Amino acid sequence: DAGVTQSPTHLIKTRGQHVTLRCSPISGHKSVSWYQQVLGQGPQFIFQYYEKEERGRGNFPDRFSARQFPNYSSELNVNALLLGDSALYLCASSLGADSGNTIYFGEGSWLTVV
Amino acid sequence: QKEVEQNSGPLSVPEGAIASLNCTYSDRGSQSFFWYRQYSGKSPELIMFIYSNGDKEDGRFTAQLNKASQYVSLLIRDSQPSDSATYLCAVNKPGGTSYGKLTFGQGTILTVHP
Repeated sequence: DAGVTQSPTHLIKTRGQHVTLRCSPISGHKSVSWYQQVLGQGPQFIFQYYEKEERGRGNFPDRFSARQFPNYSSELNVNALLLGDSALYLCASSLGADSGNTIYFGEGSWLTVV
Repeated sequence: QKEVEQNSGPLSVPEGAIASLNCTYSDRGSQSFFWYRQYSGKSPELIMFIYSNGDKEDGRFTAQLNKASQYVSLLIRDSQPSDSATYLCAVNKPGGTSYGKLTFGQGTILTVHP
């Protein structure tokens, strides 16, 4: 079975632009979460979606938004990009939404804002 | 106080030695604990998870959890140069807006030298 797949793997954007990152969870997994990891730090939680509903939101500005589709894939959107948004964006999937589920990460999308 | 703190690195051990990685967490409501390994330029890879007090062994890896002391550790026996990576401790607390959220420590860089 395929793991968590993310696209694109690398991208460069200019300040003020918008970016959309995509994620397909492991087959059978209904929960998708998004994390931001800046260099030298651990990943920071952005959103969790389960059964197409937002179940959790981290401390990120409203420029960040996400959604989950009927096939459980997900998009993360970031508007009005800032230099500080440059990071590795990780998508994670799990079977369910609660704490008893192990969480698996995709390879990530490297975003550079110039 | 940070929610999840890991022992400051980098940690350097000789090949064949035991590497000990430590993590403390502040929220007593935390229920699930995870160790991820992250190679440079790659995404986090799940090594182990532990939910109950005590030890859990998987091959050369042993996770230890002490909820009373709010402490979780990872021991790597017979360390190999291929174990050289950043090790991330992550904690999950169910309920509320943190539903399904993993809170990560800053990571500990481990170097195993021949």
